[in-house]
Amino acid sequence: QVQLQESGPGLVKPSQTLSLTCTVSGGSISSGSYYWSWIRQPAGKGLEWIGRIYTSGSTNYNPSLKSRVTISVDTSKNQFSLKLSSVTAADTAVYYCARGDLVTMDLDYWGQGTLVTVSS
Amino acid sequence: DIQLTQSPSFLSASVGDRVTITCRASQGISSYLAWYQQKPGKAPKLLIYAASTLQSGVPSRFSGSGSGTEFTLTISSLQPEDFATYYCQQLNSYPPALTFGGGTKVEIK
Repeated sequence: QVQLQESGPGLVKPSQTLSLTCTVSGGSISSGSYYWSWIRQPAGKGLEWIGRIYTSGSTNYNPSLKSRVTISVDTSKNQFSLKLSSVTAADTAVYYCARGDLVTMDLDYWGQGTLVTVSS
Repeated sequence: DIQLTQSPSFLSASVGDRVTITCRASQGISSYLAWYQQKPGKAPKLLIYAASTLQSGVPSRFSGSGSGTEFTLTISSLQPEDFATYYCQQLNSYPPALTFGGGTKVEIK
């Protein structure tokens, strides 16, 4: 059973960089059948896709966040990571990592989510 | 960019009711349309992929249909555990990006 677990600071100061890591267990992140994605959800609001990375290292980002987002993968640790720079209070949200199917494009396994608050 | 609009955004229903949620795309999309269920404080759970394929372990009272610009999620007989928020999701071809609908909250009548 594939499991994903987000980790990282729960509090980030405005203008700083938010950094989160997703650790994958129960399967290899190097599998060519999947991509790895970050999604966020502000309190009481809907889901916003942040971006994704393939095991090749190729990435796609949400155009509205593209200038501030970097997603990377560390296959040796079975992890992928998110960096979001120049954060503001609007970036306060629950951040999820998820596995995506390369054929059907859905997100079939999700982490439990981690709340990141941007505040001084 | 393709936008996904869900309707209704809020739905009040009783146990045993048949419920239908619609997801409309701003332009024709592939059939790679997925539906998720999210309960408070939990991560979304995949229910339906490729518009109509039931994810393993999901009860058969859930079904999906549609093509082009209009897709539907149907719950044939609403159960107490089905009260949740439902989201549709698809992949834009260019620029390549995932898009979610705004969500439909299903509450007890």
